[in-house]
Amino acid sequence: NAGVTQTPKFRILKIGQSMTLQCAQDMNHNYMYWYRQDPGMGLKLIYYSVGAGITDKGEVPNGYNVSRSTTEDFPLRLELAAPSQTSVYFCASSPGGAGYGYTFGSGTRLTVV
Amino acid sequence: AQTVTQSQPEMSVQEAETVTLSCTYDTSESDYYLFWYKQPPSRQMILVIRQEAYKQQNATENRFSVNFQKAAKSFSLKISDSQLGDAAMYFCAYRRRGGADGLTFGKGTHLIIQP
Repeated sequence: NAGVTQTPKFRILKIGQSMTLQCAQDMNHNYMYWYRQDPGMGLKLIYYSVGAGITDKGEVPNGYNVSRSTTEDFPLRLELAAPSQTSVYFCASSPGGAGYGYTFGSGTRLTVV
Repeated sequence: AQTVTQSQPEMSVQEAETVTLSCTYDTSESDYYLFWYKQPPSRQMILVIRQEAYKQQNATENRFSVNFQKAAKSFSLKISDSQLGDAAMYFCAYRRRGGADGLTFGKGTHLIIQP
């Protein structure tokens, strides 16, 4: 019963580098989300998806890209990393819309230096 | 846009006592859901309790209960018989019915349990 799996758990990037944060869920959830958590700021939505092939921007999408080719996977791509992208990133999924709580992954701590 | 406000950055309570965490929200919607999430030092986000706005009855999950005041747009979390394992960040979150665009979170309250 893996739930939502995020990799890697930690990563240090240099300014200008790119990377992909992986997220996979095995619960057949249609909805998937990417959030970032900055100290003292709560969680802010980056991108979300309501099903394979469908993605949409959240509150803070600049500097990120996503794709959703399968129900299970929802990778987040960082292009040209900047210090402002230093954060903890959470992936989450839910079986449907508003009434459902999320299942969260364990997060990825990213530092851009 | 919806906003969620947690006015207590930090709260402290003695073990076995009761503590209430505050949350207010702003929305023009009439039908929505409210949640409390717990984030212990492990960083894992855990759903504590959920409230449906169209239900008058306050939700309860074991030692955790809410006081939902729809007119006041208030959604507080009461933890009874506090335990050391309750020490964590607690986040209040809002989601409108029919909204696919995710939860809106407050900034969190850090709960300290004094032994």
